[in-house]
Amino acid sequence: EAGVTQSPTHLIKTRGQQATLRCSPISGHTSVYWYQQALGLGLQFLLWYDEGEERNRGNFPPRFSGRQFPNYSSELNVNALELEDSALYLCASSLEGGSGQPQHFGDGTRLSIL
Amino acid sequence: AQSVTQLDSQVPVFEEAPVELRCNYSSSVSVYLFWYVQYPNQGLQLLLKYLSGSTLVKGINGFEAEFNKSQTSFHLRKPSVHISDTAEYFCAVSGAWDGGATNKLIFGTGTLLAVQP
Repeated sequence: EAGVTQSPTHLIKTRGQQATLRCSPISGHTSVYWYQQALGLGLQFLLWYDEGEERNRGNFPPRFSGRQFPNYSSELNVNALELEDSALYLCASSLEGGSGQPQHFGDGTRLSIL
Repeated sequence: AQSVTQLDSQVPVFEEAPVELRCNYSSSVSVYLFWYVQYPNQGLQLLLKYLSGSTLVKGINGFEAEFNKSQTSFHLRKPSVHISDTAEYFCAVSGAWDGGATNKLIFGTGTLLAVQP
């Protein structure tokens, strides 16, 4: 069974640009989550999508947005990139969005802002 | 606010010795607890989970953890570590504190387990 896949592995952008990160969940999983792992800030919840709808978002500005497609894959968009957005972005998926469902993670996209 | 505390940022241990990585959480509602491991340049791998039932939970790679509600702890243990266990370990909690409609994970700051030969 294929795990959660993320692309690209690395992404280099400059300040003010826009970045798009992609995630394919495990087959059969309907919920997708995005987390940011930034140096010194730890792992922080960004967004949760379930059945195509945004269900919850963390304490991040509106320039962080995303969507979930009918095949349950997801993309994360970050507009007006800032230096502080440099981080590893991790996508996770679960069978459904109920509390307690284990989340399975991909290997992440490392976003570097120059 | 709900939080997870991993008191030890780094735990050095010799190969074949036992290890315990500590995790405490704060929450006034029922929680679900998880331990994840992160190897260099990789994502997070689920080690084990506590949802309900027996307080002693066994996971992959010989790890186990014990849920202690009175002490709000979920410490991770392994009786004999290997060099290959060197990695960052994260404790995480989820629960129905946002009105029930959430599964977001709140993570601790991580503990680097450094196994020495």
